[in-house]
Formats: sequence, structure tokens, C-alpha cells
Amino acid sequence: EIVLTQSPGTLSLSPGERATLSCRASQSVSSSYLAWYQQKPGQAPRLLIYGASSRATGIPDRFSGSGSGTDFTLTISRLEPEDFAVYYCQQYGSSQVTFGQGTKVEIK
Amino acid sequence: QVTLRESGPALVKPTQTLTLTCTFSGFSLSTSGMCVSWIRQPPGKALEWLARIDWDDDKYYSTSLKTRLTISKDTSKNQVVLTMTNMDPVDTATYYCARIRVTIFGVVITDYWGQGTLVTVSS
Repeated sequence: EIVLTQSPGTLSLSPGERATLSCRASQSVSSSYLAWYQQKPGQAPRLLIYGASSRATGIPDRFSGSGSGTDFTLTISRLEPEDFAVYYCQQYGSSQVTFGQGTKVEIK
Repeated sequence: QVTLRESGPALVKPTQTLTLTCTFSGFSLSTSGMCVSWIRQPPGKALEWLARIDWDDDKYYSTSLKTRLTISKDTSKNQVVLTMTNMDPVDTATYYCARIRVTIFGVVITDYWGQGTLVTVSS
């Protein structure tokens, strides 16, 4: 099973700042199989990025994904008030799906 | 418009079997590339994938829970059913179903989620 490790656990930033979230895999992941989600309290996860770097429908261009192999990054270029939430990376590999433990982006 | 809705008991006793139903609209599970997954989230914890069923009836299960899970579909009713046997308090979680699209290029996209249903396991 591929283990995804997200860092940092919590990111304390102010609106307008840049957020950089990391997702590291225990073994290589195909870029086609790497996604990022945003989750707010009491809500279902929302797809942000699929295929490591493709934005989902309706996702603002301040969200971007990059990376390959074992290292992937979600960048939020300028934080808006509605972006403070928990973010998860996810991978599909060998018919097994795993999620990272999440990064909480909180208001500083 | 794609929607998914989970239904099932809010409370189950330890050792009982949980049966959850995902009723969806806006797509057909008989269409090539369409799949439905179940994912759960214990209170305050991370997401955990449970199972997936594909348009061609292929089924995949979490390695750690495989012996307890069964996923099935009723294409005519637009429903996917998940059963989990031998429930334990540690299985207390919000259970989500989600739609997956597999593109012709092999990209996997989990694009729509239900709102989730909280299942509490307690005697």
C-alpha cells in the first residue's frame, strides 16, 4: 500500500499569502492518479486538482498542482478567506486508494 | 446534474452488519468509465477509502477491510450498496459515496461526492 505523507500538519497564514502544501508518497505514483481535495467542517470533500496538475471544473486559478514520482505540491497563490480549510491528497495505485492525513490551513 | 445521496442506519450495535445505499442521478453506472466508491471519515480524522465498483462490475476493496466489505450495484435503480460486517465502535464515521470517472487517457477523477451519513456504532 502506498502511504501518502502530507506536510506540514498545520499551516498558519494570513489572507493574501501564498500556501504551499506537500504530499510525499512512499513509492512512485503515476501523475494520472494523484488528486487534491479541500474539506470544510461539516462538508464533503471537494475536488480541486486531478491528474496532479489539472484543475477541476469551477476551481479558481489561484489553486495549482505540480509534481511527479513521489513528491507533489498544491499551491494556493493568494489565500482568500474561503480557502481556510483542510486539504487532502489522494492516490490510486494497484487498485488501492490512499489519502494523506491532511494539512489544515488556518488563519494566522 | 450529478447528485449522490447516502442512506442507512444512523446507529448500529457492535457485531451487527451495516448496509449503506448510495442513490445517484445524472449518470449511469453502465456507461464505460463510470465508477462509484465508498469512503469514510471518523470524527476529526482523515479520509479512508473502502471500496469501488466499476461500470463493468469490477470490484476493489481496501486491503485492510476486504474480509468485511461487499459492494454491489443495481444499475436499473441507480444504486450502489455497501455492506460491512462485524461492526465495531472504531467503525464510527461519516460514510461517503462518490462518483469516479476514468477518462480514455486513464486519468481517474473523483468529481462528485454525497453529503455523507454518520454511522455510530454503540451498544
